[in-house]
Amino acid sequence: QVQLVQSGAEVKKPGASVKLSCKASGYIFTHYIMHWVRQAPGQRLEWMGWINGPDGNTKYSKKFQDRVIITRDASASTAYMEVNGLRSEDTAIYYCARDYPQWSESGWSGCYDHWGQGALVTVSS
Amino acid sequence: EIVLTQSPGTLSFSPGERATLSCRASQTISSNFLAWYQQKPGQAPRLLIYGASSRATGIPDRFSGSGSGTDFTLTISRLEPEDFAVYSCQQYDSSPPTFGQGTKVELK
Repeated sequence: QVQLVQSGAEVKKPGASVKLSCKASGYIFTHYIMHWVRQAPGQRLEWMGWINGPDGNTKYSKKFQDRVIITRDASASTAYMEVNGLRSEDTAIYYCARDYPQWSESGWSGCYDHWGQGALVTVSS
Repeated sequence: EIVLTQSPGTLSFSPGERATLSCRASQTISSNFLAWYQQKPGQAPRLLIYGASSRATGIPDRFSGSGSGTDFTLTISRLEPEDFAVYSCQQYDSSPPTFGQGTKVELK
C-alpha cells in the first residue's frame, strides 16, 4: 500500500532553515509528482510547491519561491523540502502529498490522493 | 489566484441526517478540477471527491459531489459518527492550487 512517512517535528529560531523529508513506499516514486502543502494553526491548507518524479523539475508558489527548495533522492524514494529564513508565521504542519493526475482539454492537473502524516515546525525565539 | 469560500464555517447535525456543504470559487473552474477532503484532528487530509463528482478509492457512496463553474457541493446523505470532521475543497484548475477555509461538521 502507498505510504508517505515524514520526518519528525522541528523547533527552529527565526532566521534558521529547516529541511523536511518524505519517504515514499508502495509505488514507483519516479512516476508521480510530489507536492508540499502546509497548514498554519487555524488557517486553510496552502500549497507550496511540487517536484516532478520523472525528471526532478520543480514548481513553486510565488509566495515561497525565494525561500523554499524542493529536491529528491530517487534512489531512496524520498522527497525533501528546505525552508530558509524561517519566521514565526512559518509555524505550521507541513505535509507531503502524492499527485493524483487527471486529464482535461486544458491538460494534466492533479489533486492529492495520499498524504504524509505531517511534520510540525515551530518557529520561536 | 482563485479564492475558494466555504460557508458556513460550522454546521451542526445529528447522526443519520443529510449534510450539504458549499464551496464557491472567485473564478470559473472550467475543467471541474475541484476536490473535497476530510480532515480529523491530528490527521492528514483524506481525499474524498475529485473532478467535482468522482469518489476516490474506498470512499463510501454516502459521499457525493456536484456542481460546476463557480458553485460546488459536497453531500453526505446519512451522517455516520465517523463523518464528524472538517471538510475542505480545493481547486486544481489553475496555478496555484488553492483550498477553501473548511467547514466543520459537528455533532448537534
